[in-house]
Parts: sequence; C-alpha cells; structure tokens
Amino acid sequence: DGGITQSPKYLFRKEGQNVTLSCEQNLNHDAMYWYRQDPGQGLRLIYYSQIVNDFQKGDIAEGYSVSREKKESFPLTVTSAQKNPTAFYLCASSDLVRGRVYEQYFGPGTRLTVT
Amino acid sequence: DQQVKQNSPSLSVQEGRISILNCDYTNSMFDYFLWYKKYPAEGPTFLISISSIKDKNEDGRFTVFLNKSAKHLSLHIVPSQPGDSAVYFCAASARNRDDKIIFGKGTRLHILP
Repeated sequence: DGGITQSPKYLFRKEGQNVTLSCEQNLNHDAMYWYRQDPGQGLRLIYYSQIVNDFQKGDIAEGYSVSREKKESFPLTVTSAQKNPTAFYLCASSDLVRGRVYEQYFGPGTRLTVT
Repeated sequence: DQQVKQNSPSLSVQEGRISILNCDYTNSMFDYFLWYKKYPAEGPTFLISISSIKDKNEDGRFTVFLNKSAKHLSLHIVPSQPGDSAVYFCAASARNRDDKIIFGKGTRLHILP
C-alpha cells in the first residue's frame, strides 16, 4: 500500500528541547511539504522540497529546520527557537508533472504539545 | 494577507439536501484550484480539483464551479450525507510561478439528521 506515514501521532516535549517529527512516503513522489495547523487556521507552509538535498522555506519557517537526504524521507525539527511550537503538524507529498504540482497527499499528522 | 478566503467558518445542512461551500481568491495568477476534506486528528484528503481553463468539474456527488471573473469558486455536494460532516479546505496554486498550494482557513460542514 502506498502512502505517507508520520510518527508518532502524539508527541510531548518540554520547552527548550528540540524535537524531530518523521515523515516517510512510498509514493515515489518528488516533492514533499510540511504544514502546521492551528485552531481556526488553515494549513500554513513551513518548508518544502522538490528534490533530494534541496529545500525551500515556506511562509513560517522560523524556528524550524528540515533535511531531505532521501527521496522518501523529509524529517522536520522543531527547535527551541520556535515560539509557539504546540500545533498539529502535517506532512504531504506530490508528483511533479512537467515541473508542475498537482494534488498533494497528506499523512495522518503529528500533534505536538510543548509544556 | 489572505489570498484564499473561506468566509463561512461553519455551515449546517440537512441530510439529503445540497451543501454549497464557497471560496474567494485574490491572486489572479492562480490557475489551479483544489478542495480537501479533513476529519479531526487526520490529514486532509484530496476531494476534487479544477483548472482555470474550465468552469465546472464533476465527480459523483461533488461538483466544483469556478467563476474567474468574480475570483470565486464553490463546492456543491448533493445529496449531503452524514459522512460529509468534516472541515473543507479550499486551496489554490499558481502553477506557472511556483509549486506552493495556498490553503483557506476551512469551513466546518455539519450534516444534520
């Protein structure tokens, strides 16, 4: 079965600690994305990557870092510099057809709570 | 600066009737529009899309209408079913410029028995 996996589903951390959220896809998609969702808000783009070893900042990249060492993996690190890290984090992937993005497929999400 | 706006945070519709969810956008560069459905504590799932060269796309009970001159699109669900209760996100992309999809804030649809 092809899909996107995010683990864990729930994550708890103390303030001041870095935490890494995993995202793996076996859809053979070129592009991968990280979003965060807050109550009453849409999905806001944190980082995205269209190719291995390359990634771009989204609209709210401050306090986050990513890596793309393998096509199927795009982990997100929430650093202690992120002022409001408690949120629901969603990873997505998509095909690039003739350089254009079409539908994005989402993982189940990780709810991060920092206290 | 919200480029994709869903002005109704919630909508309640009787089961069996038509649900109409609305979305407005401001960026005239957008050329591809999508609707996603999201249940609580799950990732969104793609529902239906439409290219700017069309004004209507239909898939079963779901139809998306695009009015480019008004920069408005709508999702029609008919007939509405209990399993349609979810949050619906409108999204848009300017595929000739970059590969980002901009999401609206979502509309929570309640299907009433």
